[in-house]
Amino acid sequence: QQQVKQSPQSLIVQKGGISIINCAYENTAFDYFPWYQQFPGKGPALLIAIRPDVSEKKEGRFTISFNKSAKQFSLHIMDSQPGDSATYFCAASKDTPPSMGQNFVFGPGTRLSVLP
Amino acid sequence: DAGVIQSPRHEVTEMGQEVTLRCKPISGHNSLFWYRQTMMRGLELLIYFNNNVPIDDSGMPEDRFSAKMPNASFSTLKIQPSEPRDSAVYFCASSLGLTPFYEQYFGPGTRLTVT
Repeated sequence: QQQVKQSPQSLIVQKGGISIINCAYENTAFDYFPWYQQFPGKGPALLIAIRPDVSEKKEGRFTISFNKSAKQFSLHIMDSQPGDSATYFCAASKDTPPSMGQNFVFGPGTRLSVLP
Repeated sequence: DAGVIQSPRHEVTEMGQEVTLRCKPISGHNSLFWYRQTMMRGLELLIYFNNNVPIDDSGMPEDRFSAKMPNASFSTLKIQPSEPRDSAVYFCASSLGLTPFYEQYFGPGTRLTVT
């Protein structure tokens, strides 16, 4: 119940295309859904986040779509660029101080490659 | 600000040796988190501190792992004795608060290899 499932494991997209990464969760108590971007040799960095009171959040080329009833959320990268090539992690948490394995869970990650 | 600083960036050690990883959080941040990242288990939260006090260490895998935060600008994660299965990238992150509402800023990580 604490897992966050993420797909696909890897994704190859042509420059200018749309990259879509999907995540699903089980725990209905989760109320904060961030996406992290990680470049090789670097730590993860917060990219965009959403709360379940909205169904979509857009920041530049990055959009989170959230389906509360299906317990799914996805990241869309419009006009994908080679510089977007990185590993993307979704996460789910309760907006309370984290407790190990209880309320701050990361997905396994998606390795995105954007071809020039 | 220089961001979260971790040292060393790479550590190779033999099984049974003591390993100490170091972290300097962003100045002004009162919360510090230690994570471990492996291909098999992904990103795992090990322990976190608030105002230099360990709040929850139940994510620490074994008694061989220990973490301290003697002051607001320094934390260590120690593994004694180390084992090959401890090989991973260890990240330190800091934030202005404990809840996920406050963005966690990750350091560059320490890649640990135990042979």
